[in-house]
Amino acid sequence: GQSLEQPSEVTAVEGAIVQINCTYQTSGFYGLSWYQQHDGGAPTFLSYNALDGLEETGRFSSFLSRSDSYGYLLLQELQMKDSASYFCAVHSGGYQKVTFGTGTKLQVIP
Amino acid sequence: GAVVSQHPSWVICKSGTSVKIECRSLDFQATTMFWYRQFPKQSLMLMATSNEGSKATYEQGVEKDKFLINHASLTLSTLTVTSAHPEDSSFYICSASFQTGVTGELFFGEGSRLTVL
Repeated sequence: GQSLEQPSEVTAVEGAIVQINCTYQTSGFYGLSWYQQHDGGAPTFLSYNALDGLEETGRFSSFLSRSDSYGYLLLQELQMKDSASYFCAVHSGGYQKVTFGTGTKLQVIP
Repeated sequence: GAVVSQHPSWVICKSGTSVKIECRSLDFQATTMFWYRQFPKQSLMLMATSNEGSKATYEQGVEKDKFLINHASLTLSTLTVTSAHPEDSSFYICSASFQTGVTGELFFGEGSRLTVL
């Protein structure tokens, strides 16, 4: 089966940088993605890493190390609207099913 | 962009009845759809993987006879919660795969909040 671990909560100041880590265990690994979810809403796709290294998309960057089964999401220039839950998700198996991590609730404070 | 529509958004039903939730990809053909369940302040738990024209693949611990999934076409998958009970009350959300192997992106429906009285 799959298991993914993330910190449960993170608090950061507006304008700062925050890193959310994700460690995973899975077989048939294809890639790691990140999603944002506001309370009551559907998850929104942020990024995807299939290869080792850093992917940058605006204020968000995501990193993957396949050998370490580890990845992180980096959020820069934090804004109040970034307060949400963030999930890492592994893509694995023949149909590339997507299994979500435990989630990290980010609170951005003034 | 790819749009997935899920219906109904909210449903309240009596214990023992069945509820059907529809998930449609509006502007693309989704060979694979995923059904998730989410309890308050928890993660999305994958229930099953649905492939058009074949039986759904259920995750360990998910009752096949209770959560019936049908993927009759490339644009429609349905989840039926049979003989619903209060413990089935949850947020059910579908997602569709379109070039996900390349982009990594899943397209999610709006979710359906089920309350069983």
